[in-house]
Amino acid sequence: DAGVIQSPRHEVTEMGQEVTLRCKPISGHDYLFWYRQTMMRGLELLIYFNNNVPIDDSGMPEDRFSAKMPNASFSTLKIQPSEPRDSAVYFCASSFQIWSPLHFGNGTRLTVT
Amino acid sequence: TQLLEQSPQFLSIQEGENLTVYCNSSSVFSSLQWYRQEPGEGPVLLVTVVTGGEVKKLKRLTFQFGDARKDSSLHITAAQPGDTGLYLCAGGGNQFYFGTGTSLTVIP
Repeated sequence: DAGVIQSPRHEVTEMGQEVTLRCKPISGHDYLFWYRQTMMRGLELLIYFNNNVPIDDSGMPEDRFSAKMPNASFSTLKIQPSEPRDSAVYFCASSFQIWSPLHFGNGTRLTVT
Repeated sequence: TQLLEQSPQFLSIQEGENLTVYCNSSSVFSSLQWYRQEPGEGPVLLVTVVTGGEVKKLKRLTFQFGDARKDSSLHITAAQPGDTGLYLCAGGGNQFYFGTGTSLTVIP
């Protein structure tokens, strides 16, 4: 099992540009989570899906953020337009059940200049 | 609002020393997990505790869940440089809420 795969590992973009982060969860995991990590705020849950359906998006900062899960093996987190305050490491995680251990990808480090 | 507060926030110790990290909340959790995160990687699960008062040992690491299921501690005996990393607790409810983290550095 390759684990949770995220791409790209690093993304540097200019303010105002669209950014798309990608995630492939572990096969058979029904839950997928998007987290954002910063020094100031730690690890924050943005949104999570169950069987490809968004369940809780209350952590999504604002309308500039959107997430989709078109099928069980792929999810995207999009930021449009991006702002410097969006700079952070974005993690995708998947789990078998809602309280099962989370398996994290290695994250995407986003820098918005 | 942080539901889970960890202390200390930073800890730097010499190899061979013992240490304890705390995770506290005013909320009751059905389960609590501890993760360790190394630079450039995602958090990796160390242990899950589900019963109030439960104690679990993982080699030199001892985890305890408070009787009221509101707090937990992680004790490391004879710390080694390989223990260096960010330790995160996460409380289970409708989702997992992560603590503020403790950054541990073990100096050889």
